[in-house]
Amino acid sequence: QVQLVESGGGVVQPGRSLRLSCAASGFTFSNYGIHWVRQAPGKGLEWVAVISYDGSNKYYADSVKGRFTISRDNSKNTLYLQMNSLRAEDTAVYYCAKDVVRWAGPYGGWFDPWGQGTLVTVSS
Amino acid sequence: DIQMTQSPSSLSASVGDRVTITCQASQDIRNCLNWYQQKPGKPPKLLISDASNLETGVPSRFSGSGSGTDFTFTISSLQPEDIATYYCQQYDNVPPITFGQGTRLEIK
Repeated sequence: QVQLVESGGGVVQPGRSLRLSCAASGFTFSNYGIHWVRQAPGKGLEWVAVISYDGSNKYYADSVKGRFTISRDNSKNTLYLQMNSLRAEDTAVYYCAKDVVRWAGPYGGWFDPWGQGTLVTVSS
Repeated sequence: DIQMTQSPSSLSASVGDRVTITCQASQDIRNCLNWYQQKPGKPPKLLISDASNLETGVPSRFSGSGSGTDFTFTISSLQPEDIATYYCQQYDNVPPITFGQGTRLEIK
């Protein structure tokens, strides 16, 4: 079955960096756009970024633009999120989620399924 | 950016009740709206896509309707396992993709 497993979360000081990974299985990873979505403790869902099936198109929320970089390695069926200049407000559970389309252009937005999430805490 | 406003933010109902949640978009999003269910400590799950399309395996007591700016999510007969937070999400004119603030559903 389709499975997404995030890793790489932890406690990090403000201004530092962290890289999250999302390992995919059960589907042809290279055919689909993949998203990062985050959820601050006790709060709602916030879309973070998406990458197209081949890595050629990347889109970001304004709140992370210039600080976060989404990438993928289709040979390893793995998605990444490089997070730099972290702030306290970046504290959240980070989920990866598969889309049903490729994101060859700015179109899509069906998150199905989601991984279990990895917690990032930014604190001194 | 398109803003999504959900109401109510929380809701208490009895088993067997009909439950309705509304979601309003700040501009016309056609039928580009999905509904998700999130149980405590779990990731969200897609229940309804394209405003009214029930995902495979989702019980038929769940339904969605609407187009343009006004949308409705309904549970026809509330069951104990439906306790969760429900989110609407738009995918028209993306990015960014935006979510409603969520509706927390509790059993009375």
